[in-house]
Amino acid sequence: RKEVEQDPGPFNVPEGATVAFNCTYSNSASQSFFWYRQDCRKEPKLLMSVYSSGNEDGRFTAQLNRASQYISLLIRDSKLSDSATYLCVVNDLDSNYQLIWGAGTKLIIKP
Amino acid sequence: NAGVTQTPKFQVLKTGQSMTLQCAQDMNHEYMSWYRQDPGMGLRLIHYSVGAGITDQGEVPNGYNVSRSTTEDFPLRLLSAAPSQTSVYFCASRPRQFRSGNTIYFGEGSWLTVV
Repeated sequence: RKEVEQDPGPFNVPEGATVAFNCTYSNSASQSFFWYRQDCRKEPKLLMSVYSSGNEDGRFTAQLNRASQYISLLIRDSKLSDSATYLCVVNDLDSNYQLIWGAGTKLIIKP
Repeated sequence: NAGVTQTPKFQVLKTGQSMTLQCAQDMNHEYMSWYRQDPGMGLRLIHYSVGAGITDQGEVPNGYNVSRSTTEDFPLRLLSAAPSQTSVYFCASRPRQFRSGNTIYFGEGSWLTVV
């Protein structure tokens, strides 16, 4: 089975701190990469796509390292509202473009 | 602006009962899928469909049936509910070709408990 691995956490972080998550994937042929955010008892929602050159959206930065087969998410100046579970998702070309989901990393921002 | 509509939101079943989770989308997406999410695990694909009349099995299809008679609807049937099927179920839809910049649209989830 193709796998996507994440540290389950929880990461307990004070408000205003910087926090980083990593996610490793096993299939070197994977083509597209995403970070989703999931709030408690809610559906996942797209946070950002991850591009080869790395990309930034406000306080969030995503990076892809194809050689080591991992993607990362950096959150700067964390807010209480960033508390959620962050899911790493990989588009698996070998499996007819199915999405392979990590189990998620739980982030708790403390005041 | 409905997106993906999934019902019911909560359901309690007795072992051996059958039921259908309904899912409808209004975005004309070819691709629809059902996932289950268990504590500490990622979303696992149950069944998916790439268009009306076409369905296929995902990672965990046993105990579930689907059909896709229209582009809009993709119901999930539990044939004979078992406690192992206690989970949160998400219906999702997206364009068939999925690339960076796209997103997958989820329903709000169905919390199913089998006793």
